[in-house]
Amino acid sequence: DAGVIQSPRHEVTEMGQEVTLRCKPISGHDYLFWYRQTMMRGLELLIYFNNNVPIDDSGMPEDRFSAKMPNASFSTLKIQPSEPRDSAVYFCASSPLGGRMETQYFGPGTRLLVL
Amino acid sequence: AQTVTQSQPEMSVQEAETVTLSCTYDTSESDYYLFWYKQPPSRQMILVIRQEAYKQQNATENRFSVNFQKAAKSFSLKISDSQLGDAAMYFCAYGNQGGKLIFGQGTELSVKP
Repeated sequence: DAGVIQSPRHEVTEMGQEVTLRCKPISGHDYLFWYRQTMMRGLELLIYFNNNVPIDDSGMPEDRFSAKMPNASFSTLKIQPSEPRDSAVYFCASSPLGGRMETQYFGPGTRLLVL
Repeated sequence: AQTVTQSQPEMSVQEAETVTLSCTYDTSESDYYLFWYKQPPSRQMILVIRQEAYKQQNATENRFSVNFQKAAKSFSLKISDSQLGDAAMYFCAYGNQGGKLIFGQGTELSVKP
């Protein structure tokens, strides 16, 4: 299995630009999670999906952030407009059926730098 | 709300020696999972070991083992025969009934040759 795939691996953009991060979960996994990692706040859950439906988006910092999962094999996290404080590593993770408390498998992350 | 605390920001161990990383958590739930993840400089999050709260037996994976004390809400990780490749940031995580993972702040482990 290829594992969780994220793209791009690195993104540098200017303040005010739109940023789209992409994730392909492991085939057959029903849960998909988006995390953000910063030095100040550590690893924090932004949103997660079950069977393509958003279950909990309470971690999404503000309206500039949005996430979608149009099908079982693809999800996006969009930031519009981006700000320097959005600079972080963004991880996507997936877990199998019965995802509640199942092991989450992480992608390699997208390192975002907003200038 | 659940919280996870790792009180050791940094730890150091001599190669081939044993080291224990500490983790405590706070919850009112009785059914949950606990995890240790490793994050090397590549930033990839790698599962090291997991423990189901309903199991009394401590989980073991090769050189990695845990000391799970449910009443004390403690979940420490022991690394035996430390290797240079064990150097990384280690995160303790709590998995709640809603499917969320709540992470501690991490412990950076260095291994001295």
